[in-house]
Amino acid sequence: GQQVMQIPQYQHVQEGEDFTTYCNSSTTLSNIQWYKQRPGGHPVFLIQLVKSGEVKKQKRLTFQFGEAKKNSSLHITATQTTDVGTYFCLKGGGSQGNLIFGKGTKLSVKP
Amino acid sequence: KAGVTQTPRYLIKTRGQQVTLSCSPISGHRSVSWYQQTPGQGLQFLFEYFSETQRNKGNFPGRFSGRQFSNSRSEMNVSTLELGDSALYLCASRALGYNEQFFGPGTRLTVL
Repeated sequence: GQQVMQIPQYQHVQEGEDFTTYCNSSTTLSNIQWYKQRPGGHPVFLIQLVKSGEVKKQKRLTFQFGEAKKNSSLHITATQTTDVGTYFCLKGGGSQGNLIFGKGTKLSVKP
Repeated sequence: KAGVTQTPRYLIKTRGQQVTLSCSPISGHRSVSWYQQTPGQGLQFLFEYFSETQRNKGNFPGRFSGRQFSNSRSEMNVSTLELGDSALYLCASRALGYNEQFFGPGTRLTVL
């Protein structure tokens, strides 16, 4: 129904390795947002994707929205220790219904 | 602009008590959402308010309620507390026409 499946749940990488987290919905999304939560902190907005097939970049972060607007991914190139945290996707809100977060992917980076 | 503020930051209650948490959104933001965050369940949506009206409600029992005032400040109330209500309660505000959520630091509720 309304769930957003996010995988993997955990990812441990060596500094310098790449990282990817995926979100999948059974229903077509009007948009999807990505957030990062540092340990002990609160979620902070990273980006919103709206268009089918959209790709957006923020320095080492690349965000993609699937052609069918049912899936999205966040890719980090050459991870750094500052990337540590949990990454969440979010759908919904307002006229789009309930706000649903993915379960999150917790990233740890070994220096 | 000041960020989203939540009070209190920490709270310890016992089973059966009730609690009220407060959230002050960013100035000009009229939408406020509440979330419960636990290690096992992640971030779960409680409700969303806009201009004093509840727009959406998550799948939580009736013990969880909320309201929004004319100045956009919001409160949530949990009655008859259970041990499982121990969690970080986050609120977020957003501006009209925008989806980006700005989160407060949260209220850490412990139920003993």
